Amino acid sequence: DVKVTQSSRYLVKRTGEKVFLECVQDMDHENMFWYRQDPGLGLRLIYFSYDVKMKEKGDIPEGYSVSREKKERFSLILESASTNQTSMYLCASSSQLNLYKGQYPYEQYFGPGTRLTVT
Amino acid sequence: ELKVEQNPLFLSMQEGKNYTIYCNYSTTSDRLYWYRQDPGKSLESLFVLLSNGAVKQEGRLMASLDTKARLSTLHITAAVHDLSATYFCAPTSGSRLTFGEGTQLTVNP
Repeated sequence: DVKVTQSSRYLVKRTGEKVFLECVQDMDHENMFWYRQDPGLGLRLIYFSYDVKMKEKGDIPEGYSVSREKKERFSLILESASTNQTSMYLCASSSQLNLYKGQYPYEQYFGPGTRLTVT
Repeated sequence: ELKVEQNPLFLSMQEGKNYTIYCNYSTTSDRLYWYRQDPGKSLESLFVLLSNGAVKQEGRLMASLDTKARLSTLHITAAVHDLSATYFCAPTSGSRLTFGEGTQLTVNP
């Protein structure tokens, strides 16, 4: 089974703090993604990466950065947290290959999510 | 830019009834995914539709894909309470998925 884990389920931070959200996957997937989910707005892609040290901006990258030093780990960084970054953050991974039976290319597997509150 | 529109966004239905959720998307995409999200939980993959005319069924849910019409449907047959969840469609754009807003389904006894 694909496992995608996120470092925290719930996080409360103050405005201006630097925040790190960590995501780890154990299935050797090349691609990793960070989304935020807000009521009425669905899932919006923040950043993604298709290889170590590679990153691509998604649809809403402002106020965020990412780091991918190892294939299995993708970190989302809020340099200076603001109240409008209060949200649910979801990490996902995928592969363009049929690595495992029952998986499909580009099928994304999601972590449990981190509910971040910035006060 | 790929845009995805689901309708309806909210669906309240009686147990035992049938209904269809529609997913329209704006540009060519050769595969589409359906996901389910239970309240407070993450997304779980339901169906992968890999080509035009693809149809997949699992229990009371059936998904289909018409790439020419840029339309996918998720049909619910004889709904039961356990199907209450939010359903997302997501066509591909390269290695990315673009998600619809989601359809929040509530099945009432």
